[in-house]
Amino acid sequence: DIVMTQSPDSLAVSLGERATISCWSSQSVFFSSNNKNYLSWYQQKPRQPPKLLISWASTRESGVPDRFSGSGSGTYFTLSISSVQAEDVAVYYCQQYYGTPYTFGQGTKLEI
Amino acid sequence: EVQLVEWGGGLVKPGGSLRLSCAASGFTFSTYSMNWVRQAPGKGLEWVSSISSRSDYIFYADSVKGRFTISRDNARNSLYLQMNSLRAEDTAVYYCARDYCTSASCYYYFDSWGRGTLVTVSS
Repeated sequence: DIVMTQSPDSLAVSLGERATISCWSSQSVFFSSNNKNYLSWYQQKPRQPPKLLISWASTRESGVPDRFSGSGSGTYFTLSISSVQAEDVAVYYCQQYYGTPYTFGQGTKLEI
Repeated sequence: EVQLVEWGGGLVKPGGSLRLSCAASGFTFSTYSMNWVRQAPGKGLEWVSSISSRSDYIFYADSVKGRFTISRDNARNSLYLQMNSLRAEDTAVYYCARDYCTSASCYYYFDSWGRGTLVTVSS
């Protein structure tokens, strides 16, 4: 199984500050035949289902504010929020879809 | 608008069974692979099972293999999860989630989620 590990477990930032969450995979999730990283990011606000933010490590979903960005390749990835807003308070998860079982990181709780 | 609505959760004793359902609307259900993902109280997300659009590919997490069965009815736009031999550690909110699919292929990340249904396994 591919183990996904996030850091930190929780993160407190001030409004307008930059937040960065790291995600490591225990093996590469880069598929050379199509040059893509099989890595997604989700946001889960309290009492809500998860929401897809980013796929393919860096492709922002339609409607997601451009302050959210994803980067990385192979086994190391980051989710950045350039200027944190109050509505960004949530738990953030990375997920690999390179192979079954499709595994998630343990989550990072973002607080203001 | 894509909608996924789960139901069928509840309180069940260890060793018991439960069948979850998910009604899909707002998209062509028969062309998408679908999943169940669960979240234990206060915990993270755990993928449970996937089923391809025509039910020809089915995958399970090791934690539920042999106890849970995923199925779908494309005529009814519905996804199911039959859960047998339930354990306390199966207690969770169960989400129905749609894979991202193009006309050519589906990829196992989840672009739409239902609100979930709570399953509690306790004596």
